[in-house]
Amino acid sequence: EIVLTQSPGTLSLSPGERATLSCRAGQSVNSMRLAWYQQRHGQAPRLLIYGASSRAAGIPDRFSGSGSGTDFTLTISRLEPEDFAVYYCQQYGSSVYTFGQGTRLEIK
Amino acid sequence: EVQLLESGGGLVQPGGSLRLSCAASGFTFNLYAMTWVRQAPGKGLEWVSSITSSGTITYYAASVRGRFTISRDNSKSTLFLQMNSLRADDTAVYYCAKGCGTDCGILESWGQGTLATVSS
Repeated sequence: EIVLTQSPGTLSLSPGERATLSCRAGQSVNSMRLAWYQQRHGQAPRLLIYGASSRAAGIPDRFSGSGSGTDFTLTISRLEPEDFAVYYCQQYGSSVYTFGQGTRLEIK
Repeated sequence: EVQLLESGGGLVQPGGSLRLSCAASGFTFNLYAMTWVRQAPGKGLEWVSSITSSGTITYYAASVRGRFTISRDNSKSTLFLQMNSLRADDTAVYYCAKGCGTDCGILESWGQGTLATVSS
């Protein structure tokens, strides 16, 4: 099973700032099978990024994903108030799906 | 518009059973893999189980293998999760999610979840 470790656990920033979230895998991940999700408080998760770098439908272009192998990054270029939420990376393959433990993005 | 509506959650005693359902609409159900993901109170997301579009291949997390069974009825556009031998640590909101293809684990759309509580 591929373990995904996200960092930091909590990120405190102000609206308008840039956020950089990390997802590190315990072994190499097929980039096509790496996704990022956003979960706002009290809501279901929603897909942001798939294939490590492709934005899902309706996702603003301030969200971007990058990376390959074992290191992946979600970047939010200019934080809006609605971006403060929890973010999860996820991979699937070899009959097992795994999520990272999440990064909480909070208002500073 | 894709809609996923979970039902079947509730309060059950340890060792009991629950059957969750997820009614799908707004897409051709039999073309897409489906997945159950759970979230314990105050915790992160945990993958539970997935099933291919035809229903012929299923996958389970180690924590539920042998106790939970995923299935689907493509004629009724409905996904199921049969949960047996329930334990307190199965308490969670259970989400169903639509995959990106016949055997694809990118979870494009999610339901709002149903809460299963295991307690005496």
